[in-house]
Amino acid sequence: QVQLQESGPGLVKPSETLSLTCTVSGDSFTSSYWTWVRQPPGKGLEWIGYIYYGGSTNYNPSLKARVTMSLDTSKNQFSLKLTSVTAADTAVYYCARPGGGSGYYPFDSWGQGILVTVSS
Amino acid sequence: DIVMTQSPDSLAVSLGERATINCKSSQSVLYNSNNKNYLAWYQQKSGQPPQLLFYWASTRESGVPDRFSGSGSGTDFTLTISNLQAEDVAVYYCQQYYSHPLTFGPGTKVDLK
Repeated sequence: QVQLQESGPGLVKPSETLSLTCTVSGDSFTSSYWTWVRQPPGKGLEWIGYIYYGGSTNYNPSLKARVTMSLDTSKNQFSLKLTSVTAADTAVYYCARPGGGSGYYPFDSWGQGILVTVSS
Repeated sequence: DIVMTQSPDSLAVSLGERATINCKSSQSVLYNSNNKNYLAWYQQKSGQPPQLLFYWASTRESGVPDRFSGSGSGTDFTLTISNLQAEDVAVYYCQQYYSHPLTFGPGTKVDLK
């Protein structure tokens, strides 16, 4: 059973860059679509995008201009960078993995989530 | 983008009774070539990540109690919890994975009456 764990700063200043890492354990890091989803406090879920093991990415158009995802296969980690953050980016950020071998499957594995607050 | 809507926003159900949650997509999520609906349901308890309940609209994830059932096709879907238990108190989300960006419904909160 794959396990995912988010890490990174819990507080980011407005206009700065949010940087998070997800560490994967318990399963192969290969051949999967490593995904970020966020949830503002008290609100619903928003798909941010994924990075495939091979390095290709697919971002939500609503965030595409500010999002970059990357992989570190030597550490079984993938990362999220979100630039020029505002208070609207305050959310719990989850890393997740779809259950099937494509980007068109639901998510059967989730990290516990990390709350990132954007505030000065 | 495919817009997902859910109804009701919230409902309160007595122990042992039935809860019914509706989900509607702005366009069909039925993929004709394999006759599968690209629709999932999740349960999210307070302070926890979402947990997958159903995929392909009606295929129960391993470990999900059979008092949960999923149905529907095309644009209209239903999650039913029969014989509601205290541990079913949660927010329930539908999600389409038919096209990118993947989108979720706004959630339905289920409480005990």
